[in-house]
Formats: sequence, C-alpha cells, structure tokens
Amino acid sequence: NSKVIQTPRYLVKGQGQKAKMRCIPEKGHPVVFWYQQNKNNEFKFLINFQNQEVLQQIDMTEKRFSAECPSNSPCSLEIQSSEAGDSALYLCASRTGDSDYTFGSGTRLLVI
Amino acid sequence: GDSVTQTEGPVTVSESESLIINCTYSATSIAYPNLFWYVRYPGEGLQLLLKVITAGQKGSSRGFEATYNKETTSFHLQKASVQESDSAVYYCALGVWANTGKLTFGHGTILRVHP
Repeated sequence: NSKVIQTPRYLVKGQGQKAKMRCIPEKGHPVVFWYQQNKNNEFKFLINFQNQEVLQQIDMTEKRFSAECPSNSPCSLEIQSSEAGDSALYLCASRTGDSDYTFGSGTRLLVI
Repeated sequence: GDSVTQTEGPVTVSESESLIINCTYSATSIAYPNLFWYVRYPGEGLQLLLKVITAGQKGSSRGFEATYNKETTSFHLQKASVQESDSAVYYCALGVWANTGKLTFGHGTILRVHP
C-alpha cells in the first residue's frame, strides 16, 4: 500500500536495450530519490530531485543513466543501453524537507 | 565516505526470544548524522521502523528500540520478545534529517522468527 507508485514492477531487457522505469511520488512530496539495490543488497544512491531540479547525482560517467522529474508527469529513470550489471532493484523514494521518506516497492530489472 | 555495517544474517530466533541486530556507522561527511532503521516485510516495500535524530536518544516502535551512541558509533536494534510477524529484512541507515540529502544504508539483516 505504498504511496509512492513505481512501474513496472518487473522489467526484463536484453543487453543493449533501453530500460525505462517510472515513479509517482507521494502527493505533496517535492523531493524524489532513486536508489539501486544490487543482488548483494547494497544500496547505491543514484540521483535526487527537488521539484524538477537535480540536487545531487552520482557521477554517471558512462552516461547510460538519465533521470528526470517533469512537472505534472511521473519521474523516470532510464538506462540507455542495459548491461548485465544493471540487473537490480531500483527504488524510488520521496519526502518533503522534514518528513519521513516514503519508498516505493521498486522496479526489479533483469538484463539478460 | 559514509558507511554502515550491520550484523550479517540470516539471524534465526524462536518466538518470544530476545533479539539484537548490531549496527555501527562511520560518518565522514556528516558532522551530526541521524540514524534510522528500515524494515522490508515479505512482499512489501521498505518502510521506516524508527529514527533518532539526536545522539544519546532512544527511538522505539513496535516493541523495537535503538539508542544512538555517539561514543561507540553504534545504533543497535533490540527487541525483548520477538514474534513470527517480525520476520523481515532490517536495514540500518544514516543521513541528515533536516535536508534533502541521501541515506546511506547497511546491507540488511534477514531475520527469521520460528514459532
């Protein structure tokens, strides 16, 4: 019963294919985060937004990852050319400046 | 960078037994980190179990407790008497509450409670 809605729940892509996942943050939450949780249960922060602006992001040196949070549309995380190592659970979370985080159930990406 | 280390699981206990899941942290980028325990029940999303903003304080929720110990850089999760419904994955995390920054998570501890 998460108030952060992530779609799709599962995503299967071939190597080199584009993978896109979406997140609708909890209503009234202007700050949105994306995390990657790998098979070893390690969390990796990817990026966060306040409204439509990027606050922090990892050094996506490969430039395969991109994200946006347009106004009046779901936030999205896209991998341009999927690799096997991208297989993971991608978590979206949202909050206000002084509220608890609300996490979505995640999108589980499998790259085959 | 910041890091969180917690008990490697799985941890298996019997119902009504006591529980402690250890968590220690290193906060190199944050002068006064805030500490959190999150839980993921089977088939559900990650949810906050408890948080403590101030060193020396104790947080509690659903019978679980954790005390923020700045001297030992620890935030161990304890429960006096577990129930089968406590079976879940528990994550210790640190961050800064009062801004929009990220959380740093531990690897999680699987807890299995047998009836």
